Amino acid sequence: DGGITQSPKYLFRKEGQNVTLSCEQNLNHDAMYWYRQDPGQGLRLIYYSQIVNDFQKGDIAEGYSVSREKKESFPLTVTSAQKNPTAFYLCASSISEAPHEQYFGPGTRLTVT
Amino acid sequence: GQSLEQPSEVTAVEGAIVQINCTYQTSGFYGLSWYQQHDGGAPTFLSYNALDGLEETGRFSSFLSRSDSYGYLLLQELQMKDSASYFCASQTGANNLFFGTGTRLTVIP
Repeated sequence: DGGITQSPKYLFRKEGQNVTLSCEQNLNHDAMYWYRQDPGQGLRLIYYSQIVNDFQKGDIAEGYSVSREKKESFPLTVTSAQKNPTAFYLCASSISEAPHEQYFGPGTRLTVT
Repeated sequence: GQSLEQPSEVTAVEGAIVQINCTYQTSGFYGLSWYQQHDGGAPTFLSYNALDGLEETGRFSSFLSRSDSYGYLLLQELQMKDSASYFCASQTGANNLFFGTGTRLTVIP
């Protein structure tokens, strides 16, 4: 079955630690995206990538970093510089020509204390 | 700047019809998408309008008026499983989406 996987589903970290969230897709999509969702809020774009070895900042990139070394993988690192890292993180992918139709992974709920 | 406005909550009766509105102010507008998200789950794509008019997909329809910067999602024959949050999202530029804050739909018996 094609799809997007994110792991882990729940993640707990101490303040001051960097943490990397995994996102893998086997849909053969060129474009991948990372969003943050806070309770009762919409999705805010952190980073996106249209092609391997290239990525662009979204609306709230500060305190985050990404890499895109393989088409299938787009990991997100939440650094200690991110002031409010506790949130629900969603990864998505799409074909390049249709960014309006994104396929989402199940999400990772990160709690930093 | 960009903004999308949609009602925060809507309640409707099972079997009825409900309309969720979305007004937008964006630059470089390509089209309007709609997504459904159940509590704790991943958003799923419902529909997309690039041109004015109505798009129908089963019980769900979506409408766009570019001249009014306005769109809506219409859900017919409501079922309990339709209780979820619904997000409009504008495609602003060739590469990504800007999401609204969502409308929480509660379907009551």
